[in-house]
Order: sequence, then C-alpha cells, then structure tokens
Amino acid sequence: DAMVIQNPRYQVTQFGKPVTLSCSQTLNHNVMYWYQQKSSQAPKLLFHYYDKDFNNEADTPDNFQSRRPNTSFCFLDIRSPGLGDAAMYLCATSPATSSYEQYFGPGTRLTVT
Amino acid sequence: QQPVQSPQAVILREGEDAVINCSSSKALYSVHWYRQKHGEAPVFLMILLKGGEQKGHEKISASFNEKKQQSSLYLTASQLSYSGTYFCGTENYGGSQGNLIFGKGTKLSVKP
Repeated sequence: DAMVIQNPRYQVTQFGKPVTLSCSQTLNHNVMYWYQQKSSQAPKLLFHYYDKDFNNEADTPDNFQSRRPNTSFCFLDIRSPGLGDAAMYLCATSPATSSYEQYFGPGTRLTVT
Repeated sequence: QQPVQSPQAVILREGEDAVINCSSSKALYSVHWYRQKHGEAPVFLMILLKGGEQKGHEKISASFNEKKQQSSLYLTASQLSYSGTYFCGTENYGGSQGNLIFGKGTKLSVKP
C-alpha cells in the first residue's frame, strides 16, 4: 500500500544533541510537509518542499532545518534541541499545494532529556 | 491567522448528533477537515472550496458558507469510532497556497 512512513516512531535525545527525523513516501507526491504538534495542540507547519523548492515558515526557528535528497525522502534536522522542542513531529505529503488532501505519516514523538 | 473552532470539547452518547464549527474573520480559499485519534496521525475527512458548498455523506458531512468564512462539520448518529480530535485546517487567500493553518481542535468523546 502507498503510504507515508516515519522513522523512528519514538526518539529520545539529549539537550543540545543534534537529531534527525526521517520521512519517506511511496505516493510519489511532489509536496512534503513537516509539522510540529505539541501535546493537546494543533499541528503547526514548520516548512515544506515543493519538489526541490524549500519553503520555510516565517516563525520556524533556525534550529530546525530540512533536507530532501530525492522525491521519496525528507529529513528534519534539529541542530540543538531544547526542552521546548519535545513534541510529535508529523510528516505529510500532497500531490501539489493548494486544495489537495494531505496524507500524514504516523509521526515521531521526540523526547528531550 | 488561526481559525476559531467551537466547541472545544463535546461528549456524546452513541447515536447522538454533533456540530463542530470553524470560523475566520476573512474569506478563506478552502477548508480541510481532519480527525486525529490519540497518538495517531490526522486522517483526512474532506475539503471544501466553494461558497455554499456541502459535502460528505449522511453520517459525516460539512458545509462552507457563502462568504467562505465559516465551515461546519456535522456528525450524525455518532458511533464510538467517531471519538477523536477534529481539526479544521484553512488556506488563506494571498498566502502560500497549500499551507494549512489548523484550528485548536474539538475533542469529541462518544460514550456507549
């Protein structure tokens, strides 16, 4: 089945220790999104790629970076995680921007100790 | 600009109906509805694009008002499986197309 896969499902990192979260998709969608969702809050868009074009949200901290080496994979790098970065990170894909359904992966729950 | 969802939470008995509202102070390009169960990814329900549009089937449907500033999600004859948090995600005119701003969510609990 075509799907969005996130690895790992649970990640524990130490304060200040760089961490990378992975997302892959078999849907061949052009757009890949990264959202941060804190407990009992709405998902918040961090950035997205349309193909190779990177689009950063204005209020996304510089601590968060992303890479998309090919259509299938997208990575979220947190350079120096703080306690406030503990959250669920959701990857989503879409055939195109605007008015298309977004397909979400199961998420990676990040704990910062 | 984050859309306003109401109510924040609702508890139903199986078979009861619920309405969840999502509103904006400005006209929206589109509204998306998602349901998220605890610890799981959001699951797409439907998208509304046109003012006056109604969509869905008899059990779960949604509307978008003529001014495109309010959408409502209708859950009819609720089932236990309807429990979860419902989010509306809105696309704004003039913003980055496709970027969704989610409301704070409505937690729906359906009891036997």
